[in-house]
Amino acid sequence: AQTVTQSQPEMSVQEAETVTLSCTYDTSESDYYLFWYKQPPSRQMILVIRQEAYKQQNATENRFSVNFQKAAKSFSLKISDSQLGDAAMYFCAYRVIQGAQKLVFGQGTRLTINP
Amino acid sequence: GAVVSQHPSRVICKSGTSVKIECRSLDFQATTMFWYRQFPKQSLMLMATSNEGSKATYEQGVEKDKFLINHASLTLSTLTVTSAHPEDSSFYICSARGAGQPYNSPLHFGNGTRLTVT
Repeated sequence: AQTVTQSQPEMSVQEAETVTLSCTYDTSESDYYLFWYKQPPSRQMILVIRQEAYKQQNATENRFSVNFQKAAKSFSLKISDSQLGDAAMYFCAYRVIQGAQKLVFGQGTRLTINP
Repeated sequence: GAVVSQHPSRVICKSGTSVKIECRSLDFQATTMFWYRQFPKQSLMLMATSNEGSKATYEQGVEKDKFLINHASLTLSTLTVTSAHPEDSSFYICSARGAGQPYNSPLHFGNGTRLTVT
């Protein structure tokens, strides 16, 4: 079974600085997708960034980028120029390509932005 | 586009009663819907996967007779918590995958339902 581990229950960063959230996963599949979702206090799940496992190039979305290390099964999220609106729970998620394509989530990291 | 509407957003019910939660895809056909449960300050745990017109597939440890899932149309899936008890109090979130969407497309999430059983 696939598992996703986020070892940092909480992180904090000063506004405008950079923070990195860690995520590791375990799978025997070769083709899969990885996602980072943000869940603000409203509880709405918001997609932050996604990465296809077959792509070596790290995904980037504006201030958000990932460091995808397939051999190490690591998928960290870097947030640059942190803003107050970035404060939320962040979930790393894994999805297989075949079958039901269900998402498996990590435990989450609560990110606090200090003004 | 790709909006998923979940209703109700909050519900309080008495122990022993049943409550139904609806998940609708408003502007796309959802061939597959997923139901998650989230306890306070915890992650989303997949309860079941439902495909339109067929029986839901439940994750290990989820009581299928307690959590009834119906996916009768391409735009609606329902989760019914039968004979609810206080330990069923939780946040329930649905998500949907549209027909013909590429594999790397994200799932679309509803806004969730907070269930409180008194």
